[in-house]
Amino acid sequence: NAGVTQTPKFRILKIGQSMTLQCTQDMNHNYMYWYRQDPGMGLKLIYYSVGAGITDKGEVPNGYNVSRSTTEDFPLRLELAAPSQTSVYFCASSYGHRGASNQPQHFGDGTRLSIL
Amino acid sequence: GQQVMQIPQYQHVQEGEDFTTYCNSSTTLSNIQWYKQRPGGHPVFLIQLVKSGEVKKQKRLTFQFGEAKKNSSLHITATQTTDVGTYFCAGPRTGGFKTIFGAGTRLFVKA
Repeated sequence: NAGVTQTPKFRILKIGQSMTLQCTQDMNHNYMYWYRQDPGMGLKLIYYSVGAGITDKGEVPNGYNVSRSTTEDFPLRLELAAPSQTSVYFCASSYGHRGASNQPQHFGDGTRLSIL
Repeated sequence: GQQVMQIPQYQHVQEGEDFTTYCNSSTTLSNIQWYKQRPGGHPVFLIQLVKSGEVKKQKRLTFQFGEAKKNSSLHITATQTTDVGTYFCAGPRTGGFKTIFGAGTRLFVKA
């Protein structure tokens, strides 16, 4: 059971380049999330999804896009990379429903992204 | 807006000393979760508390949920070097499907 798998683990981008961070989970979780974590800081929610075909913005969505075509996959797209997007990106998943949305989240190992 | 605050921001202890981190919410929470993140690692779920005044133990870790369901604490007895990391509390964000995380307390343990 792999849990939440993120690729790549590390990446260096040049300013203005684009890339997609991949996230897949094999736990049949309906909720999925993308967070960024700057050095020494907490987690900031970028986007989340409560099921296939449904996505919504979190606290810091600018400069990012997501899609959720399947239950398993939740890729995060960076368009026109900027130095401010240098961070560690975590994907997470959980069960959830309207009556119990805050269920334990399972995190991937993260993608360490540097924009130079 | 809704806030979840943790204190202290960081703490240095000698191995064998006790450690406590506190989590305070600006709103009443239906539940609270605690996560641990080792240096260079990812957050790992530790526990969820649901009931007012609830106390749960995991070996040397004791978790409490306040009577008003607006605060929580994590206490580690006799810290070990394996306890090093950042401890986050998290609660449901009001009116949505999201979770709000505290900024975390980073624990350093000196052998």
